[in-house]
Amino acid sequence: NAGVMQNPRHLVRRRGQEARLRCSPMKGHSHVYWYRQLPEEGLKFMVYLQKENIIDESGMPKERFSAEFPKEGPSILRIQQVVRGDSAAYFCASSPTALGRNTIYFGEGSWLTVV
Amino acid sequence: ILNVEQSPQSLHVQEGDSTNFTCSFPSSNFYALHWYRWETAKSPEALFVMTLNGDEKKKGRISATLNTKEGYSYLYIKGSQPEDSATYLCAYPGANNLFFGTGTRLTVIP
Repeated sequence: NAGVMQNPRHLVRRRGQEARLRCSPMKGHSHVYWYRQLPEEGLKFMVYLQKENIIDESGMPKERFSAEFPKEGPSILRIQQVVRGDSAAYFCASSPTALGRNTIYFGEGSWLTVV
Repeated sequence: ILNVEQSPQSLHVQEGDSTNFTCSFPSSNFYALHWYRWETAKSPEALFVMTLNGDEKKKGRISATLNTKEGYSYLYIKGSQPEDSATYLCAYPGANNLFFGTGTRLTVIP
């Protein structure tokens, strides 16, 4: 069974460009979570999605950030007009059912560097 | 936002030593507590999901205990090995996500 797949693993963008990070959940998982790890900080929740629906985006900055999980294809985290402060590791996780007592499974992360 | 705290922030032990660290979480309306192991440049790996007060779970040389009344969990590693070097995270579920502590970074010195 393939795990949670994220790509690209490393991405370099100039200030003002767009960054698109992709996440394919584990087979059979319809719940996707995006987390961000800023330098010297822990994992911070950004957004929780189910197929075609954003359930909770309370951790996502209001400007420039968006996420989707279409009926077909991977989940996408999109950052428009990137700034240096967006440099971070972005982790995707998935689960077969809603959270709580179920484990969520993480990908290996996408490292975004804004120059 | 739920407050999940871990201590110590980092720890260096000699190979063969046993060690433990702590996770504190809100004790009211307890639901579950998750432990993860996170090696550098890899994905966080689930270790345990603990749900019952007094619960003890074990995986090889790693075990964890849970006290929901006072809001803490201990993770123990017996006879640490260099391959145990990693960051150990605990997480408490909110409505739609896991709130993570900042982790304990363990380094096992050969």
